[in-house]
Amino acid sequence: SQTIHQWPATLVQPVGSPLSLECTVEGTSNPNLYWYRQAAGRGLQLLFYSIGIDQISSEVPQNLSASRPQDRQFILSSKKLLLSDSGFYLCAWSPTNGHNNEQFFGPGTRLTVL
Amino acid sequence: EDKVVQSPLSLVVHEGDTVTLNCSYEVTNFRSLLWYKQEKKAPTFLFMLTSSGIEKKSGRLSSILDKKELFSILNITATQTGDSAIYLCAVEVAGAGSYQLTFGKGTKLSVIP
Repeated sequence: SQTIHQWPATLVQPVGSPLSLECTVEGTSNPNLYWYRQAAGRGLQLLFYSIGIDQISSEVPQNLSASRPQDRQFILSSKKLLLSDSGFYLCAWSPTNGHNNEQFFGPGTRLTVL
Repeated sequence: EDKVVQSPLSLVVHEGDTVTLNCSYEVTNFRSLLWYKQEKKAPTFLFMLTSSGIEKKSGRLSSILDKKELFSILNITATQTGDSAIYLCAVEVAGAGSYQLTFGKGTKLSVIP
């Protein structure tokens, strides 16, 4: 069966510090991968999605970046965090079978920038 | 710009009540509408709707889609305290090479004993 992991679970970082959040998927190959942010009162916002290694699409302009160095690894990064980067970050995957898309979410990372 | 609007944003009911949650959307290249339940962390999948007028049912939860009027409702009958959660509506659109979900802000349901 497929599982999706995210770490760390919780992170407190000062403004201006770098960020690296990791997401890995097991039990499937060539998944579509997604990074979402859930900020208070704003619902889930798609940040990046990837259909393959080194193929990343950005949905919103921001100081975050994403990379996919391996098929089942998706990394969210920042060189310098802003206060507004605080939120709950969710990674998700979906199969690339061309049919209707159900996305499966990881446990999330709670990021607080102080 | 794709848009998904949920209402109400917040709802408090007593155990045993029936609730209806609403989701309306304006998107291009619609493929499906999904409902998720989010309790503490990650959303868990409830329903996927692709065709108008066909009710999906799971226990006390049911949902239906109207593609002409561009909305969906999620019904919960005989609510229980365990139904307390944020219910998210998402619309799947077809993008270049992948499928993306646009989420509404969610409806926070609180069920009190």
